[in-house]
Amino acid sequence: EPEVTQTPSHQVTQMGQEVILRCVPISNHLYFYWYRQILGQKVEFLVSFYNNEISEKSEIFDDQFSVERPDGSNFTLKIRSTKLEDSAMYFCASTGMSITQYFGPGTRLTVL
Amino acid sequence: AQRVTQPEKLLSVFKGAPVELKCNYSYSGSPELFWYVQYSRQRLQLLLRHISRESIKGFTADLNKGETSFHLKKPFAQEEDSAMYYCALIRANQAGTALIFGKGTTLSVSS
Repeated sequence: EPEVTQTPSHQVTQMGQEVILRCVPISNHLYFYWYRQILGQKVEFLVSFYNNEISEKSEIFDDQFSVERPDGSNFTLKIRSTKLEDSAMYFCASTGMSITQYFGPGTRLTVL
Repeated sequence: AQRVTQPEKLLSVFKGAPVELKCNYSYSGSPELFWYVQYSRQRLQLLLRHISRESIKGFTADLNKGETSFHLKKPFAQEEDSAMYYCALIRANQAGTALIFGKGTTLSVSS
C-alpha cells in the first residue's frame, strides 16, 4: 500500500539556521499538508497546498515558513531562521479526491 | 471557532473491559469527524471516519449532533489497542481543508 514518506526522521539545527523538511506524498494525490506537534501538545495545522499554490494556512505559518513542490514528487517545508520554539514533530499529509488525509511518519526537528 | 476536546489524557483499562474514548466538538456547521490512532513510534493512521459508519478493529463511533460528540467505543479492549487516539474534525466536506485535532487520549490496556 503506498505511503507518505518524510526525510530526515530527525533534524538537529542551531537557532537561526535554515532547515528544509522533505516529504514525498502518495503519488496520485493532489492536496498536501504540513502539521506540527510540539512535545506534549496537540497536532496543529500549518498549511495546505494544491495546484502549486497555498490553499489554506494557519496563524502559525508566518513569513519564516514556506512550502514548495520543486518537482513532481517532493513537497518541502522550509523554515528560514529557526527559533527554539520551532522544535517539534512535523508531519506531512496528502489526500486525493477524498478528504481523508494520509500522514507520513514525521520529522523530529530539534533547534539548539 | 472550531475546537475538538478530548477530556481524558489517559485511559487505563483491563483487557476485555469496555472502552469509551470521549470526544466533543465545537463547530457551527456540519463537520466531518475522524478518529486517528498512533501506535508507538508509528505514523498517525485513520481509524474511523463518521460518514463511512464502519467498524474498524472492533471500534465504532457515532456522531451525536445534539451533544456535539463523537465518542469512540469498543466492547472488549485488547492489549494491542494500547495507543494514542486523536479525534479530529474537518470543517467542510472538501479536500484541502485543515484537520483540527484534539489533544489526544492515551489508551493503556493491561492484562
